Amino acid sequence: QKEVEQNSGPLSVPEGAIASLNCTYSDRVSQSFFWYRQYSGKSPELIMSIYSNGDKEDGRFTAQLNKASQYVSLLIRDSQPSDSATYLCAVVGGYQKVTFGTGTKLQVIP
Amino acid sequence: ETGVTQTPRHLVMGMTNKKSLKCEQHLGHNAMYWYKQSAKKPLELMFVYNFKEQTENNSVPSRFSPECPNSSHLFLHLHTLQPEDSALYLCASSQDQGSLRDEQYFGPGTRLTVT
Repeated sequence: QKEVEQNSGPLSVPEGAIASLNCTYSDRVSQSFFWYRQYSGKSPELIMSIYSNGDKEDGRFTAQLNKASQYVSLLIRDSQPSDSATYLCAVVGGYQKVTFGTGTKLQVIP
Repeated sequence: ETGVTQTPRHLVMGMTNKKSLKCEQHLGHNAMYWYKQSAKKPLELMFVYNFKEQTENNSVPSRFSPECPNSSHLFLHLHTLQPEDSALYLCASSQDQGSLRDEQYFGPGTRLTVT
């Protein structure tokens, strides 16, 4: 079982729709969760962090964390073509080890 | 700009060459990281330095040798690389590896091609 699992996609959504990106993790003691956005040919850029169960909103982005289900998600409202990128989930587990998922490629269709 | 710079941005080297990658952060962070990113693979953590001390070596071959002279600078010395080492090498920094809120900020990366 992969430590951090994401669907590789591509996930295609029409412009203006809600994009839902999901991530599951295996280390039950994980405490910190991050979403990074990576445009093609560029480096990852931190867009959201979440540390406690529930929702955290920042502009059009909402991160959701459910530690009991070992599940973290990222919702992007009013998706724009400029949101087209690969979204990486990162989890800090035991011994402060950070593990990245393989990423989900999002395509927003104009 | 994230406050993390990397040079060179592109590097082509033969298998017998020796080269070094440089990373510098201007964020006042105490932890610095080297990652390797290959196509269709997750980011692979290579090395971690926290307060100039190496805290993690993720079973990286000895042909990769890190150096961290201070909390702002990180090097990756390369020698006798293999073609499969061709990848994007990313440097990142964070406030403190031991902190739960370990938000990492990445440099632009060095695209390495080994011929």
